[in-house]
Amino acid sequence: GAGVSQTPSNKVTEKGKYVELRCDPISGHTALYWYRQSLGQGPEFLIYFQGTGAADDSGLPNDRFFAVRPEGSVSTLKIQRTERGDSAVYLCASSFLKKQGEFTEAFFGQGTRLTVV
Amino acid sequence: GENVEQHPSTLSVQEGDSAVIKCTYSDSASNYFPWYKQELGKRPQLIIDIRSNVGEKKDQRIAVTLNKTAKHFSLHITETQPEDSAVYFCAASRSSYKLIFGSGTRLLVRP
Repeated sequence: GAGVSQTPSNKVTEKGKYVELRCDPISGHTALYWYRQSLGQGPEFLIYFQGTGAADDSGLPNDRFFAVRPEGSVSTLKIQRTERGDSAVYLCASSFLKKQGEFTEAFFGQGTRLTVV
Repeated sequence: GENVEQHPSTLSVQEGDSAVIKCTYSDSASNYFPWYKQELGKRPQLIIDIRSNVGEKKDQRIAVTLNKTAKHFSLHITETQPEDSAVYFCAASRSSYKLIFGSGTRLLVRP
């Protein structure tokens, strides 16, 4: 596609429920990232995929959060037993490895606004 | 841990004036410094970036300066226009993929 696509754009869920957020990166981008943005704050890194593998998941807040990218393209962020504190905008971004250790700019999607009630 | 501080949190300028936003970072190994503009309800979009092997970069009305010794970098917007009004985020990275963002500056350009 022309840009990073995220679905749904909005998700309201009840506390304790399970949610899945989807990200479709720019075609050909091998690197994919998930960030979380709380109101009035900058994006906070969650996880980075290079191809199918999670190369760095150091930003995931706890084991309720999990992400997959089984075919190296689309990624799904999964949140179990949601809590009100999980409410935020979840941003996905993708980029391309230009040369050893250097990526192109990260292109962000519009985000999924998750509200846990 | 890695940290990026950004100032000011809000900035109001008259159209045509310049705006300067400053950031400091804690990780001395950081080597990539992008700036993103985010309009209300929209995605962050890269407006300019700089790598640690240069001290300054300019693109039309926008410029970024980097002082590695002091671990700070700044965004300069000249001849501001109302459409420059948005939230601006600085970020720092040692790896180009894991961006550590500042808390943002809300810029308002008054017509």
